[in-house]
Amino acid sequence: DTGVSQDPRHKITKRGQNVTFRCDPISEHNRLYWYRQTLGQGPEFLTYFQNEAQLEKSRLLSDRFSAERPKGSFSTLEIQRTEQGDSAMYLCASSFRDRGNEKLFFGSGTQLSVL
Amino acid sequence: GEDVEQSLFLSVREGDSSVINCTYTDSSSTYLYWYKQEPGAGLQLLTYIFSNMDMKQDQRLTVLLNKKDKHLSLRIADTQTGDSAIYFCAENGGYQKVTFGTGTKLQVIP
Repeated sequence: DTGVSQDPRHKITKRGQNVTFRCDPISEHNRLYWYRQTLGQGPEFLTYFQNEAQLEKSRLLSDRFSAERPKGSFSTLEIQRTEQGDSAMYLCASSFRDRGNEKLFFGSGTQLSVL
Repeated sequence: GEDVEQSLFLSVREGDSSVINCTYTDSSSTYLYWYKQEPGAGLQLLTYIFSNMDMKQDQRLTVLLNKKDKHLSLRIADTQTGDSAIYFCAENGGYQKVTFGTGTKLQVIP
């Protein structure tokens, strides 16, 4: 399978705990995005990378959220001291930007439930 | 900043055409996209249009772009029950990130 994979598919945690999600993009893609999606809403941008450089982080993202893409391949998204409001689907997507055209390929997401 | 808006819900009968609309604010958008999301799944790219085009057809899908009014639409001909899903428009401009709309839930009635 050469698609975008995310791990885990589901995560249940207690408030205050730290969680880490992993995303493995399509290997030849140089851009990697993290989005958050809640029920009835569109994907909300969190952050994105070009190779290993983090190009932008959403202003809405608190300091409890951090993302890395250390070798320009897989990425991790960590949420520290989780809150109930962090419950959502976390989507990863990768792309290869070609002359301004950026087609995103999404993983199936990690569903986070904070109790 | 970027803002992309869509109507929330559309219901059509099987065999009819569906038209899903989207408005955006970023005048520097170079490409605009339509994605489909089925229950419990990630988003899947359906089609896209370059900003200097006003129409693109791809089998049952027709994309119309009115750049002056910043209005994008997706027409699905001969809508089938398998087309029931949430449809998102998205845009990016220059070297900016891809921004998504709120999604339109399409319900196809047999």
